[in-house]
Amino acid sequence: GAVVSQHPSWVICKSGTSVKIECRSLDFQATTMFWYRQFPKQSLMLMATSNEGSKATYEQGVEKDKFLINHASLTLSTLTVTSAHPEDSSFYICSATETGSEQYFGPGTRLTVT
Amino acid sequence: KQEVTQIPAALSVPEGENLVLNCSFTDSAIYNLQWFRQDPGKGLTSLLLIQSSQREQTSGRLNASLDKSSGRSTLYIAASQPGDSATYLCAVRYNSGNTPLVFGKGTRLSVIA
Repeated sequence: GAVVSQHPSWVICKSGTSVKIECRSLDFQATTMFWYRQFPKQSLMLMATSNEGSKATYEQGVEKDKFLINHASLTLSTLTVTSAHPEDSSFYICSATETGSEQYFGPGTRLTVT
Repeated sequence: KQEVTQIPAALSVPEGENLVLNCSFTDSAIYNLQWFRQDPGKGLTSLLLIQSSQREQTSGRLNASLDKSSGRSTLYIAASQPGDSATYLCAVRYNSGNTPLVFGKGTRLSVIA
């Protein structure tokens, strides 16, 4: 079956630093990847949609200059949280899909900003 | 606005009981609906995917139904076990192609031995 990996699985960083999270589709080409954020006891909220080779589309309220998304290849998308603050602490999950097919989710990355 | 609502928010049952989790969505023009399981601090495990043309899907002790006209889906778990304890998320996809899923807030299930 289709597998999506994320790295790292968890990360702790200091306030003001930047953190990069990778999302990879291991056995299929992901034309589109989605980035979600989940706060404790809340559901997944879509942050942005990323299509290979083009700029990401951000949801309302998500700062594109703070959450930098790069989808440079059909198997890799990265999310960089710039100048992280404690309120950015959350569980970040990506999903990947080939055109018109089911979405496959990564295992998530837990970010803690101290 | 497309919204997905799950009721109840939390549920605690004794082992062996059959139970039903509910999901409702505001826009009936869906492409498909998916049920996921999420363990604490973990990612999502896909349980069942129902296409808009289908009325139900079954996998083992799980059965999911879909009624587009009323905007509802149910997840039926038979003979619940402590290992079923988790949060169950309902998610709707409204279009084909590369569109994101809209998630409900989930139902936290505890099965007591």
